[in-house]
Amino acid sequence: DGGITQSPKYLFRKEGQNVTLSCEQNLNHDAMYWYRQDPGQGLRLIYYSQIVNDFQKGDIAEGYSVSREKKESFPLTVTSAQKNPTAFYLCASSPRPTVGNTIYFGEGSWLTVV
Amino acid sequence: AQTVTQSQPEMSVQEAETVTLSCTYDTSESDYYLFWYKQPPSRQMILVIRQEAYKQQNATENRFSVNFQKAAKSFSLKISDSQLGDAAMYFCAYSDTGTASKLTFGTGTRLQVTL
Repeated sequence: DGGITQSPKYLFRKEGQNVTLSCEQNLNHDAMYWYRQDPGQGLRLIYYSQIVNDFQKGDIAEGYSVSREKKESFPLTVTSAQKNPTAFYLCASSPRPTVGNTIYFGEGSWLTVV
Repeated sequence: AQTVTQSQPEMSVQEAETVTLSCTYDTSESDYYLFWYKQPPSRQMILVIRQEAYKQQNATENRFSVNFQKAAKSFSLKISDSQLGDAAMYFCAYSDTGTASKLTFGTGTRLQVTL
């Protein structure tokens, strides 16, 4: 089935640890995105990538890092510098990085700091 | 920076009735895109409807339609013949014509559907 796969679904992190959330898509989409969702809030953009080996910061990039070595993969690392990482993380992709294209979302990953 | 405001944290509608969810946005751009996304309890974001700002005609998708008032910067979603499956969080989102399809979201409206 075509789609966006995020893993793991649930992740627990100890304070001071880096963790990586996986995002894979088999839709042959050029652009990929990472959003964060906190309770009672909408989604906020962390990073996005329009092509392989290129990515840009979104509105809340501090404490996060990404890579885009392959078209189908866009992993997100939550570093120890992220002060409040507990949240729901959504990966998304779109066919081209042109404005107005429909963005398709994965099922999300829950990250909890313990 | 663009902002999106949803002033109704929660709404309730009876099955088969019609409900309207409100959204306002702020932008200095003349061309942009607006979206409504649905987030059911599974948490996956599902596109409901999309509107291009340069189009005068309001978008419709089956039971879902929008009232796009460009001058007032208003973009409301009307759900007709509400069904139990419509119960979800609904997010209004904006995308400008800068780069990529980056979305700015509102804080959402939780819709309850009662029998």
